[in-house]
Amino acid sequence: AQSVTQPDIHITVSEGASLELRCNYSYGATPYLFWYVQSPGQGLQLLLKYFSGDTLVQGIKGFEAEFKRSQSSFNLRKPSVHWSDAAEYFCAVGAGNQGGKLIFGQGTELSVKP
Amino acid sequence: DVKVTQSSRYLVKRTGEKVFLECVQDMDHENMFWYRQDPGLGLRLIYFSYDVKMKEKGDIPEGYSVSREKKERFSLILESASTNQTSMYLCASRRTGGVPGANVLTFGAGSRLTVL
Repeated sequence: AQSVTQPDIHITVSEGASLELRCNYSYGATPYLFWYVQSPGQGLQLLLKYFSGDTLVQGIKGFEAEFKRSQSSFNLRKPSVHWSDAAEYFCAVGAGNQGGKLIFGQGTELSVKP
Repeated sequence: DVKVTQSSRYLVKRTGEKVFLECVQDMDHENMFWYRQDPGLGLRLIYFSYDVKMKEKGDIPEGYSVSREKKERFSLILESASTNQTSMYLCASRRTGGVPGANVLTFGAGSRLTVL
């Protein structure tokens, strides 16, 4: 079955510390992979996406993610977290072709300590 | 920028009422989606639409229906609201094909529905 797992429901990091949010997927075809961020009371905003090519992708707000096919993972990283990064983060996978639907993970809530 | 507008940010309805959630996008996207978001469950797909007058069931369609009479508008209908439909509802749209920005979902701000 197709699925996305974000193992960490809630993570707390100190401001200025590095961050890694984990995402593992199960998908039969070549996946399109996404990370979205949701600030409180808002819709989801795209952080970055992977369709093909270089497995290390850069996104907005200083985030990056690395696609590792052998581990079925697409972990999100940021070298230095800012207080404004506190939000909920969602990993998603899809076929990307016309009509394909995205499957979302359960989300990871990030808290940032001063 | 693409804008996806959900007309109601907060609604309070009573059990048994018929509820309409409206979503409009302004960039001529072919695909539109309705998701439900609940804590610990992430986003779950209710219905989606490839194009006008086309619809497909998602993972949790029970208790919901949809309407897409015009390309820019996708409505979610709760025929008889129940308390277990209290949730955040997110609409999204997507352009398909080999053009820049294709295959990326753009979300509205969400509609938080409370059913009493």
